[in-house]
Formats: sequence, structure tokens, C-alpha cells
Amino acid sequence: DTAVSQTPKYLVTQMGNDKSIKCEQNLGHDTMYWYKQDSKKFLKIMFSYNNKELIINETVPNRFSPKSPDKAHLNLHINSLELGDSAVYFCASSQRAPEGETQYFGPGTRLLVL
Amino acid sequence: AQSVSQHNHHVILSEAASLELGCNYSYGGTVNLFWYVQYPGQHLQLLLKYFSGDPLVKGIKGFEAEFIKSKFSFNLRKPSVQWSDTAEYFCAVNARNTDKLIFGTGTRLQVFP
Repeated sequence: DTAVSQTPKYLVTQMGNDKSIKCEQNLGHDTMYWYKQDSKKFLKIMFSYNNKELIINETVPNRFSPKSPDKAHLNLHINSLELGDSAVYFCASSQRAPEGETQYFGPGTRLLVL
Repeated sequence: AQSVSQHNHHVILSEAASLELGCNYSYGGTVNLFWYVQYPGQHLQLLLKYFSGDPLVKGIKGFEAEFIKSKFSFNLRKPSVQWSDTAEYFCAVNARNTDKLIFGTGTRLQVFP
């Protein structure tokens, strides 16, 4: 039973291309996130959606556009890929609760831009 | 702005040694605290979390952490590490009632048999 899944697992592409990463969660959570982990393992939030509504939009180039067709899916589309976009992208989900929420992470998508 | 500091960047231990990884955060309000582990090539898994109540929390695989509010700290401990604990460990914090999880820079733990 995969809780948070991402496709593809690996993505190798040329500079200037456009690519998408898909994320799905079967936990029934209402909030989903995208994180970027750089080569030094630093994790930084990029976006979060709650019930298909954009909640967090960090300082991310507008080449990155998240799309949430429903609350179980949050996709990330990247236009005009650059070398610096090479990283591991993690999707996560959580359920809002009064006491706090725990984020559960997907397996990651390793993006390499050549 | 919130921030999270993990002072130990790289820790090397022998099996059966005791472990303590430091985590300090800066935020004046109520926070939720987490430790995640990332085994080589894998995704982040939750080790333990603190929301409220007993400041000493126990997690999976024999890990525990203690929230010391006066020190803004949430250090991770394990009395006896195993080779299989070799991984990257991340402390994370979010302000209560917010979605934004702030991660520390991570601590790489290597355990040798």
C-alpha cells in the first residue's frame, strides 16, 4: 500500500525542456506539498495546497507551476529546465488537525538536467 | 522568521555507542517538532514527533527525543546505535496551526560495525 507515490522516480532531461512530476496520496489527506532537496541534502518547501487551493508559494521561479486537479493529486510542471533545477523533489501530504499535523513524504523524484 | 539548526553535520560512531544529535530552533510561539530519517537513496520517514504533553517522546527503532522549551531544543537520542541506523537525520519545526515545515540542514550519521 503506497501512501504517497510519485512518478517518475528518475528523470534525466536536457536544458530548456519542459517536464512534469506527478504525485498522488491515498491517505485521504487534505494538504499536499512539494519540497526540493539540493545536492547538500537541504530540504526546502516550494508549494503547499489545501483542498486544491494554493496555500504556500515560496520564492520559486515562475517556471515551476503546481497543479492540483483534486485533493489527492498535486503535480509539478517545470518549464525551460535549467541546470540548477537538478535536485530531488519530494511530495508530501498531511491532514489538518487542531493539535498539529504530520507530513508524510513520497519516495522522491531525482531530476537531472544536462 | 523560523529557523532550525543542527550543529552536528557528520557523526561517526561504532556500533553500540550512544547517540545524541542536537536540534535548536528559533521561534517564540508554540511549535510542533519532528525528527525524520532518510536512509540512503530513500524518502523521509518520520522517527518521532512532539505536539504537546510529556516532553520526552519515544519514536520508532529505539529513538527518543526531549523537548526543552527553555533551551528551544529537541535533541534526538538513542542509547545504542546499530549499523542499520546509518542515514541522514533531519529535525523539523512548524509553528502551531501553520503548514510550513522548516527543516534543519541534516546530520549525516555513519555507524561502523
